[in-house]
Amino acid sequence: DIQMTQSPSTLSASVGDRVTITCRASQSISSWLAWYQQKPGKAPKLLIYKASSLESGVPSRFSGSGSGTEFTLTISSLQPDDFATYYCQQYNSYSFTFGPGTKVDIK
Amino acid sequence: EVQLVESGGGLVQPGGSLRLSCAASGFTFSSYSMNWVRQAPGKGLEWVSYISSSSSTIYYADSVKGRFTISRDNAKNSLYLQMNSLRDEDTAVYYCARAQSWEPTPADYWGQGTLVTVSS
Repeated sequence: DIQMTQSPSTLSASVGDRVTITCRASQSISSWLAWYQQKPGKAPKLLIYKASSLESGVPSRFSGSGSGTEFTLTISSLQPDDFATYYCQQYNSYSFTFGPGTKVDIK
Repeated sequence: EVQLVESGGGLVQPGGSLRLSCAASGFTFSSYSMNWVRQAPGKGLEWVSYISSSSSTIYYADSVKGRFTISRDNAKNSLYLQMNSLRDEDTAVYYCARAQSWEPTPADYWGQGTLVTVSS
């Protein structure tokens, strides 16, 4: 099975900061990677699919890049609503593994 | 409006069984693949199972293979997860999630989740 890792596990940032989260796959997944945002007690929300495609309705301050085994999620200017946990997920193989998550909290 | 409503969660003893249901509305259910995803208390997301729109393709996480069975009834706009031989580590909120299309794609709509607690 493909394993996913994320770094950092926790990130402290301020409103207006540029934030970057990294996701790595244990083997190539081409561009079959998604990013989700989850807030406490809520279901996850899809932000990015196919590594860099922005889901409808998601603010343009979110962007994704990468291919193969290394991917990044960037928030260009962190807003108060963005403090949450972010997960990557691969959907290349028959097992759609999530990464362990990155919590973005207030500095 | 797309809606996914899970039901069937509850308290069950180790070794027991439970059947989760997900009622879908607001879209053509038979045109979309579906997933079950779970989240243990205070932990991250874990993908559990996938079923294609026609039920022809089914995948399971290794952690549930042989114990859980995913199914769907397109006539009833419903998704199911039969969970047998339940273990303590199956305790989690279980989410029903719609894939973006009939293909294996990310989940663009999620239910509110149903809590399954496995404990003696």
